Amino acid sequence: AQSVTQLGSHVSVSEGALVLLRCNYSSSVPPYLFWYVQYPNQGLQLLLKYTTGATLVKGINGFEAEFKKSETSFHLTKPSAHMSDAAEYFCAVTRGGSNYKLTFGKGTLLTVNP
Amino acid sequence: EPEVTQTPSHQVTQMGQEVILRCVPISNHLYFYWYRQILGQKVEFLVSFYNNEISEKSEIFDDQFSVERPDGSNFTLKIRSTKLEDSAMYFCASSLRQGSGANVLTFGAGSRLTVL
Repeated sequence: AQSVTQLGSHVSVSEGALVLLRCNYSSSVPPYLFWYVQYPNQGLQLLLKYTTGATLVKGINGFEAEFKKSETSFHLTKPSAHMSDAAEYFCAVTRGGSNYKLTFGKGTLLTVNP
Repeated sequence: EPEVTQTPSHQVTQMGQEVILRCVPISNHLYFYWYRQILGQKVEFLVSFYNNEISEKSEIFDDQFSVERPDGSNFTLKIRSTKLEDSAMYFCASSLRQGSGANVLTFGAGSRLTVL
């Protein structure tokens, strides 16, 4: 069985500040890990994913995440927040080779203050 | 950029009524999915569909639920007799392939169902 824990249902940062959204997972097999973003009234959009290979993954809009197996973490970061980053962010895991049956975290709402 | 379209965006229904949620997947995608998110809870997998049949379903997807692809473009989720606990946001998704890390799901914006 797999699970995802996102620490903090709501994170608030100032524009220009570092964004750090935390995600820890549990999986009995090598995982595939994903971050999705949902803007108001829009679908879940893939930000980035880790499957195999390089553990530091770069995504769209300047976001990146690092897979740390020893810490079972896949935290999402962005060096400098922009107002347009305000959205809900979901971390998800699936077992390797089965990228459709995603197990999601509860989501983290990011607000960016001017 | 191709997108998955869902209708309606919001539906309010009375308990016991039938509801059909509609989705238009990306045109060359072959695999289709429904997920749902009850308010304040996690997004959960409901069902996957390929080649006109269900390939996998979760324990949530009981006999009250059904899916079909009636005309080669739409992909529908039917709830026969809605219950209060069916109130949720329902997300449709599609993908070109399965089982490959290079392949990802494209999600729609969701249909919010409110059962009174």
